[in-house]
Amino acid sequence: SQTIHQWPATLVQPVGSPLSLECTVEGTSNPNLYWYRQAAGRGLQLLFYSVGIGQISSEVPQNLSASRPQDRQFILSSKKLLLSDSGFYLCAWSALTPNTEAFFGQGTRLTVV
Amino acid sequence: AQSVTQLDSQVPVFEEAPVELRCNYSSSVSVYLFWYVQYPNQGLQLLLKYLSGSTLVKGINGFEAEFNKSQTSFHLRKPSVHISDTAEYFCAVSLSSGSARQLTFGSGTQLTVLP
Repeated sequence: SQTIHQWPATLVQPVGSPLSLECTVEGTSNPNLYWYRQAAGRGLQLLFYSVGIGQISSEVPQNLSASRPQDRQFILSSKKLLLSDSGFYLCAWSALTPNTEAFFGQGTRLTVV
Repeated sequence: AQSVTQLDSQVPVFEEAPVELRCNYSSSVSVYLFWYVQYPNQGLQLLLKYLSGSTLVKGINGFEAEFNKSQTSFHLRKPSVHISDTAEYFCAVSLSSGSARQLTFGSGTQLTVLP
């Protein structure tokens, strides 16, 4: 069966420090991969999605970036965190076939102080 | 582009009472529709989905939803809620075609079940 792993679960980082959140998927090949951010009371905002290795699409301009170095690995990064980067970050994957849902990781609670 | 509106940000309801969480969507093309549930500090779990066929969809934990194309709605219902149903619920849509399946989410509805 397919599983998705996301870590760390919680992270407290000072303003201006770098960020690296990692997400891996097991049990499937060529998944679509997504990073979402959830701010309090504001639903889920799609940040990045990827349809293949090295293929990243950005939905919202910001100081975050994403990379997909391997088929089932998706990394969210920042060189210098801002206070406004605080939130709950969720990684997700979906299959290529059009009638399937997205499956989510357990999320990372990021607090920038 | 598609969009989703969840009309109620918070819904308090007493235990064993029925509940309806409202969702309306906007899209110029055919869509797939989903309801997800999120418990505190956890990821999202799929409750149910509408792809095609019968407009009444049954999901896990006794929830069901009805797709209404003319009203562009996909409201979630449960005839009798439990304390354990307290969570945030998200409605989502995705286009039924295209290579990158992006889910567009509503802003969420916090369901609080009161004893």
